[in-house]
Amino acid sequence: NAGVMQNPRHLVRRRGQEARLRCSPMKGHSHVYWYRQLPEEGLKFMVYLQKENIIDESGMPKERFSAEFPKEGPSILRIQQVVRGDSAAYFCASSPDPPWELFFGEGSRLTVL
Amino acid sequence: GEDVEQSLFLSVREGDSSVINCTYTDSSSTYLYWYKQEPGAGLQLLTYIFSNMDMKQDQRLTVLLNKKDKHLSLRIADTQTGDSAIYFCAENTGNQFYFGTGTSLTVIP
Repeated sequence: NAGVMQNPRHLVRRRGQEARLRCSPMKGHSHVYWYRQLPEEGLKFMVYLQKENIIDESGMPKERFSAEFPKEGPSILRIQQVVRGDSAAYFCASSPDPPWELFFGEGSRLTVL
Repeated sequence: GEDVEQSLFLSVREGDSSVINCTYTDSSSTYLYWYKQEPGAGLQLLTYIFSNMDMKQDQRLTVLLNKKDKHLSLRIADTQTGDSAIYFCAENTGNQFYFGTGTSLTVIP
């Protein structure tokens, strides 16, 4: 059973470009969470999704950020018009139902030049 | 659930015990967790404790839970250089998980 797969592992974008981060949950998991990690700031919750539904997006910036988890395919975290402050590691985690344990991917490290 | 607090750094000598502390926020949290993150990697679950327990021991790891003070601690006995990593505590409230800032543990040979 493969773990949570995230890609790309590293992504470099120039200011104003778009970043798309993908996450394939573990087989059988229907809950997906996205977190952002900045040095000395820990893991900040961004969004929680179940298949085709956003359950909680209270941690997402109101503009430029969006997430989806379609019926088929991976979950996508999309950042439009990136700025330097978006540089961070973005982690995806999945959980079985009911969600009581998170399994993390290796993360996607975004660098904005 | 969003202000789970940990101290940022801890250094110990190899062979000593390490104690990492955490203060969580939600008294209704069902589970409390300790995750370990090695450089450049994701988080891996080390251990967890159910909220109706006071203590859990798992080989070199001991978790203590003080619900009255909302305090969670992780003790690592006989700390090894391979234990150097960032340790996160987390609480589970409903379907939501909140993480602390992480404690960077450095083990000095």
